[in-house]
Amino acid sequence: EAGVTQSPTHLIKTRGQQVTLRCSPISGHTSVYWYQQALGLGLQFLLWYDEGEERNRGNFPPRFSGRQFPNYSSELNVNALELEDSALYLCASSLFGGPQETQYFGPGTRLLVL
Amino acid sequence: GESVGLHLPTLSVQEGDNSIINCAYSNSASDYFIWYKQESGKGPQFIIDIRSNMDKRQGQRVTVLLNKTVKHLSLQIAATQPGDSAVYFCAEGGRSQGNLIFGKGTKLSVKP
Repeated sequence: EAGVTQSPTHLIKTRGQQVTLRCSPISGHTSVYWYQQALGLGLQFLLWYDEGEERNRGNFPPRFSGRQFPNYSSELNVNALELEDSALYLCASSLFGGPQETQYFGPGTRLLVL
Repeated sequence: GESVGLHLPTLSVQEGDNSIINCAYSNSASDYFIWYKQESGKGPQFIIDIRSNMDKRQGQRVTVLLNKTVKHLSLQIAATQPGDSAVYFCAEGGRSQGNLIFGKGTKLSVKP
């Protein structure tokens, strides 16, 4: 069974540009989570989608947004890119949304903002 | 604020030895804890989890211990192998927010 997949694997953008990252959850999983992992730091929670709805968001500015599609795949959009947005963006999925569901991660998209 | 921290940022062990990675959590309301392993250039890989109604759980070569009294979590790896070299994260969850809170990680280096 395929795991969580993300695209693209790497991305280089310049300040002010916009980027869209994509995530496909494990088949049957309805919840998708996005995390940012800046170099040398832990994972910071960005967004949680379940059944097409945004359930919670972390302490990030509104230029970070996303959505979940009817097939449970998800997009993360970042507008007006800043240098500090350079990071590994990780997507995770869980079977259901909820506080005790195990989250399984994809390989991430590495974003470099110049 | 809420946080999950790690006592040791780096750990170097000899191949074949046992490894213990520690983690402190601050939110006593958290009732679900997970250990992840992250190798260079990859996403975190689920290792083992434990719920707050347990104080110990064993997997293949790994054991997680939970001490709710002092809000401490540990991951024990038996007979550590070079392939265990990675960064290990503990994470807490189980609250209505749905997201996990991660610590900064402990880098485990296994010397052959």
